[in-house]
Amino acid sequence: GAVVSQHPSWVICKSGTSVKIECRSLDFQATTMFWYRQFPKQSLMLMATSNEGSKATYEQGVEKDKFLINHASLTLSTLTVTSAHPEDSSFYICSAPLSTDTQYFGPGTRLTVL
Amino acid sequence: DAKTTQPPSMDCAEGRAANLPCNHSTISGNEYVYWYRQIHSQGPQYIIHGLKNNETNEMASLIITEDRKSSTLILPHATLRDTAVYYCIVRVAGGNQGGKLIFGQGTELSVKP
Repeated sequence: GAVVSQHPSWVICKSGTSVKIECRSLDFQATTMFWYRQFPKQSLMLMATSNEGSKATYEQGVEKDKFLINHASLTLSTLTVTSAHPEDSSFYICSAPLSTDTQYFGPGTRLTVL
Repeated sequence: DAKTTQPPSMDCAEGRAANLPCNHSTISGNEYVYWYRQIHSQGPQYIIHGLKNNETNEMASLIITEDRKSSTLILPHATLRDTAVYYCIVRVAGGNQGGKLIFGQGTELSVKP
């Protein structure tokens, strides 16, 4: 079946550095992908919509200059957390719709900023 | 998209049916009910969705009331691997949002031996 992958699955970085997370749709194309963030014991929060060939659409309160999104191809979207700080430590999850009814999620990336 | 209300937690004995309720009293006529679940430290997994008719697949059944203001997800024979947070989401299928999902707090289901 359709699968969405993320890389890396976990990353630890120093405060002030930038971290790039990749999201790939493995056997289908996705003109749109979504990025979510999840803090411990909380629900998923939609951060932004990644659009192939155009700028990402960010949800209210999400800093677009801090969370850079690039939809490089029909199977790849990247999220770069710039100048990461400890408060950015979280579980980042991407998703891609296979159809108007079905959406597949990646396994998530655990980011820890020291 | 309409908001949903779910109990924060539920327990279920292994092998028994798990019935997870969801209230969506402000649902619009063109909004579907979707169910996803998230096993700890994994990405969410699609379970089932429906508009107004009851639906069944290999994972679960979805019962939607006639007025569509509430629904119930049924796992017919719960196993320990069904322990997860279950999310009920209502949204318009398709459209220019292309799949945008807004998650509520969900129900944490614990299946016990």
